[in-house]
Amino acid sequence: QKEVEQDPGPLSVPEGAIVSLNCTYSNSAFQYFMWYRQYSRKGPELLMYTYSSGNKEDGRFTAQVDKSSKYISLFIRDSQPSDSATYLCAMSGVIGGGADGLTFGKGTHLIIQP
Amino acid sequence: SAVISQKPSRDICQRGTSLTIQCQVDSQVTMMFWYRQQPGQSLTLIATANQGSEATYESGFVIDKFPISRPNLTFSTLTVSNMSPEDSSIYLCSVGGSQEQYFGPGTRLTVT
Repeated sequence: QKEVEQDPGPLSVPEGAIVSLNCTYSNSAFQYFMWYRQYSRKGPELLMYTYSSGNKEDGRFTAQVDKSSKYISLFIRDSQPSDSATYLCAMSGVIGGGADGLTFGKGTHLIIQP
Repeated sequence: SAVISQKPSRDICQRGTSLTIQCQVDSQVTMMFWYRQQPGQSLTLIATANQGSEATYESGFVIDKFPISRPNLTFSTLTVSNMSPEDSSIYLCSVGGSQEQYFGPGTRLTVT
């Protein structure tokens, strides 16, 4: 079993729909959870990060973490064609400073149909 | 967030040769990371590079194959040595910490 599982898709939805992207993980040591967006032939771009369980909202994006279920989600409201990209979840296990490399899911390829 | 550049952006190399990838950051950073993104696979951490100390490699990656230099707080290099077609991948550097990491644009390597 991989540490982080993410459905690769593709996930195709019409413009304006609410998109739900998800990851599950197995390592309970993970404390920080991130979502990246990656356009073709570009580096990953950090969208949001959250610490421990709970919700965090930034514009059209909401990140949700449920540590009891080892499940994280990213919701995109009012989806736009420009949101079409690969979305990567990532997580790390260091608390209170220091630095740790990230463990990634494989990414979900999202297509927003105009 | 930091602005990160990588050179080269892409290269095609013959098996058995080596390629050095450069990563430049526009501000001083303590930690730099090198990742590999193979087709259909997760981004995978190769090593962590602290300025002034030896890089720390993840399981499955060794210094002889992926030597790393970190001469100052804004620059690092990753060398892919004695390349084989299995090394064809995108190589990315990143900076930051456990909460926020920012990535360069990547180097797309093809080994023939």
